[in-house]
Amino acid sequence: EAGVAQSPRYKIIEKRQSVAFWCNPISGHATLYWYQQILGQGPKLLIQFQNNGVVDDSQLPKDRFSAERLKGVDSTLKIQPAKLEDSAVYLCASSLNNRGDTEAFFGQGTRLTVV
Amino acid sequence: AQSVTQLDSHVSVSEGTPVLLRCNYSSSYSPSLFWYVQHPNKGLQLLLKYTSAATLVKGINGFEAEFKKSETSFHLTKPSAHMSDAAEYFCVVSMNRDDKIIFGKGTRLHILP
Repeated sequence: EAGVAQSPRYKIIEKRQSVAFWCNPISGHATLYWYQQILGQGPKLLIQFQNNGVVDDSQLPKDRFSAERLKGVDSTLKIQPAKLEDSAVYLCASSLNNRGDTEAFFGQGTRLTVV
Repeated sequence: AQSVTQLDSHVSVSEGTPVLLRCNYSSSYSPSLFWYVQHPNKGLQLLLKYTSAATLVKGINGFEAEFKKSETSFHLTKPSAHMSDAAEYFCVVSMNRDDKIIFGKGTRLHILP
């Protein structure tokens, strides 16, 4: 079974530049999550989609971060403009549904370095 | 509001000795609880989960965890540590009433030869 695919694996940009990350969830998974994991911390939920609708984006810095999930499958996360503190690993995860007891499957993440 | 606290940021054990990684949670409703493992440069992998069935949950690689409602704990244990267990471990709480997922800050497990 194919897992959650993310690209790119690594990205280095200068502050104030923009960047985009892509995620392809497991086929048939309705729920998709984007997490930000800063070095030494646990993942923090940025946004959660149920199909192509946003369920929770309360922790997404909407002045610079945006995400979309067109057609309820692939998703992109964008940062514009980037700040130094955005350096982190961005994890995408998907689950079959949004029930609390459903396991989430994670991609390997995109490591972003802002210089 | 729900929260999860991993009491130790680092744990070191010798190979072949027991492992105990501690996790306490706070939840107003019946939670689901998970342990995930993250090896260097790899994605998060589910070790085990509790979803209101048996309180003692067995997972992969010999790990298990016990849900103790009275202590609001979900500690992860393994009888005998192996070098390959060295990784970061995350305790996760999720509400069954809604779909928020909260990660703990993680515990880095070091295995001494």
